[in-house]
Amino acid sequence: AQTVTQSQPEMSVQEAETVTLSCTYDTSESDYYLFWYKQPPSRQMILVIRQEAYKQQNATENRFSVNFQKAAKSFSLKISDSQLGDAAMYFCAYRSPTSGTYKYIFGTGTRLKVLA
Amino acid sequence: EPEVTQTPSHQVTQMGQEVILRCVPISNHLYFYWYRQILGQKVEFLVSFYNNEISEKSEIFDDQFSVERPDGSNFTLKIRSTKLEDSAMYFCASSEFEDEQFFGPGTRLTVL
Repeated sequence: AQTVTQSQPEMSVQEAETVTLSCTYDTSESDYYLFWYKQPPSRQMILVIRQEAYKQQNATENRFSVNFQKAAKSFSLKISDSQLGDAAMYFCAYRSPTSGTYKYIFGTGTRLKVLA
Repeated sequence: EPEVTQTPSHQVTQMGQEVILRCVPISNHLYFYWYRQILGQKVEFLVSFYNNEISEKSEIFDDQFSVERPDGSNFTLKIRSTKLEDSAMYFCASSEFEDEQFFGPGTRLTVL
């Protein structure tokens, strides 16, 4: 069974600085999808970035980028030029490509604090 | 922008009572999901629903749980006889295809 691990329960970053959130996963599948979701306080989870395992190029969305290391089964999220609005809970998620089951497997989350 | 909505935001119930958690997925979505998060723990998959039937369920989703799409817009999760350990945040999600899932804000269920 697949598992997702986020080893940092909480991280802090100064405004305008860069922070990296870690995520590792375990799977025997060769093709899959990885996601980072952001959950602001009392708000729903929203997608930050996604990565298809068959793509070698790391995904980038504005200030958010990933470092996808398939062999190491690592999927870290880098937030550049951190803003106060980035403060949230961040969840890493894995999705199997197997047809008929599109469930996400989540990590425990990392709470990001942004210091002014 | 379309959003997934959930009601109520907080539900308090007595142990042994039935609860129904409601979700309105995004209108053109075809796949629906329920997840839950016990305080301080990871978000866990409960069930997925497609074409008016359950496509997958987890070990957590036992006979006490059921899902329904009663009217083509709502998607409900029923817990027949609540236990203390059912206290958690319950998230509904929907997706158009096997793609990005959109999540609701969650319902906090407290079982006393």
